[in-house]
Amino acid sequence: AQSVTQLGSHVSVSEGALVLLRCNYSSSVPPYLFWYVQYPNQGLQLLLKYTSAATLVKGINGFEAEFKKSETSFHLTKPSAHMSDAAEYFCAVTTQPSKIIFGSGTRLSIRP
Amino acid sequence: DTAVSQTPKYLVTQMGNDKSIKCEQNLGHDTMYWYKQDSKKFLKIMFSYNNKELIINETVPNRFSPKSPDKAHLNLHINSLELGDSAVYFCASSQDRDTQPEQFFGPGTRLTVL
Repeated sequence: AQSVTQLGSHVSVSEGALVLLRCNYSSSVPPYLFWYVQYPNQGLQLLLKYTSAATLVKGINGFEAEFKKSETSFHLTKPSAHMSDAAEYFCAVTTQPSKIIFGSGTRLSIRP
Repeated sequence: DTAVSQTPKYLVTQMGNDKSIKCEQNLGHDTMYWYKQDSKKFLKIMFSYNNKELIINETVPNRFSPKSPDKAHLNLHINSLELGDSAVYFCASSQDRDTQPEQFFGPGTRLTVL
């Protein structure tokens, strides 16, 4: 069975500060991992994905995530937060493409 | 060129009514999904169809019935609506290949049951 845990339901950072959203997964076989972003009143948009290629994955809008097998983690980072980054972020895991398990989400707020 | 589209975007109705939500994808994907997102933003998969065949049905009440007339469409019909059905419903699609395992989501349908 697979699962994903997002640490922190709400993260608040100042504009220009580092963004770090934490995600840990559980999987008995090598997983695919994703980060999605959901802006208010919109659907989910793929930020980046890990599919067993490079462990450091770069995504859209300056975000990146690093797959660490030893820590079973896939944390999302961005060096400098913008006001437009305020949204809900979801980490997700799957070992078969047709069934993705989503984390509970982390709301990112940006302080001016 | 919307990849995954849903109609309607908002749906307000009375308890006991029957309603449908339509979904279409123009990505040529083989698999389509319905998700329910509750007020706490938790996403739960409801159904998955691959080439018009049901492959996932996650303990959803029988009042919910998906229908896939072709692989580009997956509609959701809900009978005898209840207050607890109020949520945002998302349609999604994917190609189901190892190189493209991600799902693409529609904009959502906000259902409010009064």
